[in-house]
Amino acid sequence: AQKVTQAQTEISVVEKEDVTLDCVYETRDTTYYLFWYKQPPSGELVFLIRRNSFDEQNEISGRYSWNFQKSTSSFNFTITASQVVDSAVYFCALSEAGNQGGKLIFGQGTELSVKP
Amino acid sequence: NAGVTQTPKFRILKIGQSMTLQCAQDMNHNYMYWYRQDPGMGLKLIYYSVGAGITDKGEVPNGYNVSRSTTEDFPLRLELAAPSQTSVYFCASSYSRDMYQETQYFGPGTRLLVL
Repeated sequence: AQKVTQAQTEISVVEKEDVTLDCVYETRDTTYYLFWYKQPPSGELVFLIRRNSFDEQNEISGRYSWNFQKSTSSFNFTITASQVVDSAVYFCALSEAGNQGGKLIFGQGTELSVKP
Repeated sequence: NAGVTQTPKFRILKIGQSMTLQCAQDMNHNYMYWYRQDPGMGLKLIYYSVGAGITDKGEVPNGYNVSRSTTEDFPLRLELAAPSQTSVYFCASSYSRDMYQETQYFGPGTRLLVL
């Protein structure tokens, strides 16, 4: 069965600290996509990244980086030099090729609080 | 482009009332979705549509109905509202080339309180 686990419910850091948000997934499909979304206090969902199961290269976008490891079924997200504006709930999600309708399976989210 | 729009932003319903949550997108996306987000939880799929006239159930469809008469609009109907339907509802859409791999873009959400 497909499942996404974000074991960290809440994380609190001080500004400029680095922080890693963990995401572990379960799937029987060999073809799938992984996503990260950000939900700031205003409530909307903002797309951050999409990664397919055949591309294990790490990705960096400014202060954000993602580490995809199929061997451990993990897709972790690191924020370098965190800022107060990074405070949000972050969701990891999975979409399987065999899943009719392109359904996204979401983790429960990690609430990140960055204090000044 | 406005992207995905949802109305209303917030609504209070009494138990047993009905209402329709509106969702529209102007990106010419074939696929549209309705999710609900309960406090402290991730999103769960209620219904989805792969094109006008085609809809199907997601993970938590009970108590809801949908229709898709046009590519742009995907309203969600709540019949006989119950307190368990208190939630934030998100509409999303995606391009249809290879459905599982396309990014879903979300609307701003509708916060619903059933008392």
